[in-house]
Amino acid sequence: KNEVEQSPQNLTAQEGEFITINCSYSVGISALHWLQQHPGGGIVSLFMLSSGKKKHGRLIATINIQEKHSSLHITASHPRDSAVYICAVSSGGGADGLTFGKGTHLIIQP
Amino acid sequence: DTAVSQTPKYLVTQMGNDKSIKCEQNLGHDTMYWYKQDSKKFLKIMFSYNNKELIINETVPNRFSPKSPDKAHLNLHINSLELGDSAVYFCASSPQGYEQFFGPGTRLTVL
Repeated sequence: KNEVEQSPQNLTAQEGEFITINCSYSVGISALHWLQQHPGGGIVSLFMLSSGKKKHGRLIATINIQEKHSSLHITASHPRDSAVYICAVSSGGGADGLTFGKGTHLIIQP
Repeated sequence: DTAVSQTPKYLVTQMGNDKSIKCEQNLGHDTMYWYKQDSKKFLKIMFSYNNKELIINETVPNRFSPKSPDKAHLNLHINSLELGDSAVYFCASSPQGYEQFFGPGTRLTVL
């Protein structure tokens, strides 16, 4: 059974700051997912990655398979980035669903 | 066009009742999932299903059962509801092994 740990649990920053959220997992995976849950409750997939690095706009996700570690970075943070960011992993090709971390509650103050 | 939809959005019911939550996806995905988000906002897989296989999380009580009338639908039936079943339930879909798309969630309150 995979254990997914995220840090920090809570993060408050000022607009424009560079944000890093970390995720580690305990056993091998087929892919790692970063999700965003808005204050209204909806969940959106930001990235799915199994190696290297992906970038979408101001968001960057990296993964180190050997160290079983991933990071999500937000550049030039904005109040609209305020949300819960959730790391999740899949194994066995993803057929058995995702195993989630407890999430990082991010608040960006103007 | 809503990719993954769930009905109802809110469901309030009494202990002991039987209820269903519907999920539909119009993305043509072959795998669908049900997740439970508890009061501490922690998400956990309940079921994953494609047209060949149902995978059940061992911690899910057998009062919960998924029913798939066709590839685009995976409904969640809950019998004999208990207070501890109060949570937000999310449906999701994906091509197997790829990025998942989530429904808007159904907030279930058991009184």
